[in-house]
Amino acid sequence: AQSVSQHNHHVILSEAASLELGCNYSYGGTVNLFWYVQYPGQHLQLLLKYFSGDPLVKGIKGFEAEFIKSKFSFNLRKPSVQWSDTAEYFCAVFRPGFQKLVFGTGTRLLVSP
Amino acid sequence: EAGVVQSPRYKIIEKKQPVAFWCNPISGHNTLYWYLQNLGQGPELLIRYENEEAVDDSQLPKDRFSAERLKGVDSTLKIQPAELGDSAVYLCASSPGVGDEQFFGPGTRLTVL
Repeated sequence: AQSVSQHNHHVILSEAASLELGCNYSYGGTVNLFWYVQYPGQHLQLLLKYFSGDPLVKGIKGFEAEFIKSKFSFNLRKPSVQWSDTAEYFCAVFRPGFQKLVFGTGTRLLVSP
Repeated sequence: EAGVVQSPRYKIIEKKQPVAFWCNPISGHNTLYWYLQNLGQGPELLIRYENEEAVDDSQLPKDRFSAERLKGVDSTLKIQPAELGDSAVYLCASSPGVGDEQFFGPGTRLTVL
């Protein structure tokens, strides 16, 4: 069965702190990787994605993620968070053979001013 | 460009009652998805359409859930009869093709009393 793990369920940071959210998946082979974000009261929206090429991917609002194939990981990072980054973050993995996008359980980030 | 539209945004019903959710995807998107999102969890796929064909309904509880996508555009998801455990957010998403970035609607929050 496909599995996507986000180990941090809740993260609390102060503004300007650095952020790293973990994402691991449980199978090999070709995958497409996504991070989605849901701001309070808003719908899910894409933060960044990786299909192929440079494993360091830059997304919107200063976020980036690094695909490490040997570790089956796609961790999300931001050097300096802002209060407006308070949201829930979901990692998602698409495996072409299964034709299905599988989401992790999400990480709630609270940034205090 | 208009996003994915869903209605209603909120629905409260008593158990054993029927309920229906409607989704209008982004124009030109052939692939449409219905997801279920429970509190504290990531979205889980219920059904995927390619145009008007349901190509993956393996996670749809067919004894009480049904869906249709007439003419390959709008879609309706129905529950009859609803059970207490159906309380959740029902998300609709669309994409140009399977494996591409998915665009999500705001969801319908269903409460079954």
